[in-house]
Amino acid sequence: AQSVAQPEDQVNVAEGNPLTVKCTYSVSGNPYLFWYVQYPNRGLQFLLKYITGDNLVKGSYGFEAEFNKSQTSFHLKKPSALVSDSALYFCAVRPLDSSYKLIFGSGTRLLVRP
Amino acid sequence: DGGITQSPKYLFRKEGQNVTLSCEQNLNHDAMYWYRQDPGQGLRLIYYSQIVNDFQKGDIAEGYSVSREKKESFPLTVTSAQKNPTAFYLCASSIVRSNTDTQYFGPGTRLTVL
Repeated sequence: AQSVAQPEDQVNVAEGNPLTVKCTYSVSGNPYLFWYVQYPNRGLQFLLKYITGDNLVKGSYGFEAEFNKSQTSFHLKKPSALVSDSALYFCAVRPLDSSYKLIFGSGTRLLVRP
Repeated sequence: DGGITQSPKYLFRKEGQNVTLSCEQNLNHDAMYWYRQDPGQGLRLIYYSQIVNDFQKGDIAEGYSVSREKKESFPLTVTSAQKNPTAFYLCASSIVRSNTDTQYFGPGTRLTVL
């Protein structure tokens, strides 16, 4: 079965420190990969996506993500966390044979402490 | 959230009632989607539509119905047949050019069954 795993329910980091939010997937072929962020009682905001090419993708608000084909991972990173980055982060994948379907992970709550 | 509006923001339903959630977009997107979000879970697809007057069931369509009479609008009806409707409902839209297209989300409607 196709699935996306976000192994950490919550990640805690101090402001100014680097952060990583992990995502691994189990999908046949090389899927397209997405990260979204959700603030309380709000919709999801698109951060970045990997389609092809450079394994390091840069996105909004200083976030980037690294695609690793051998480890089937797409971890979200930021060099220096801000308190305002505290939110719920979702990884999603779209299998190559699908024109619409997004498979979402369960989400990781990021808490950045001052 | 820009370009996609959902109303109402909060909705309360008595058992046995049907309720309709509104989703409108002014992005000229062809495709529209409805997702359900429950605590600790990723988003699950209820219905999607890639063109006016056509829509397809997603993974959890039972107890829900939709219509797509206009490109801009994709209302979702939660019927009395949906046994556990309390959740956060998210509408999304995308251009349909290729399967690399990004889905953009509205601000959501929180439905509570009294």
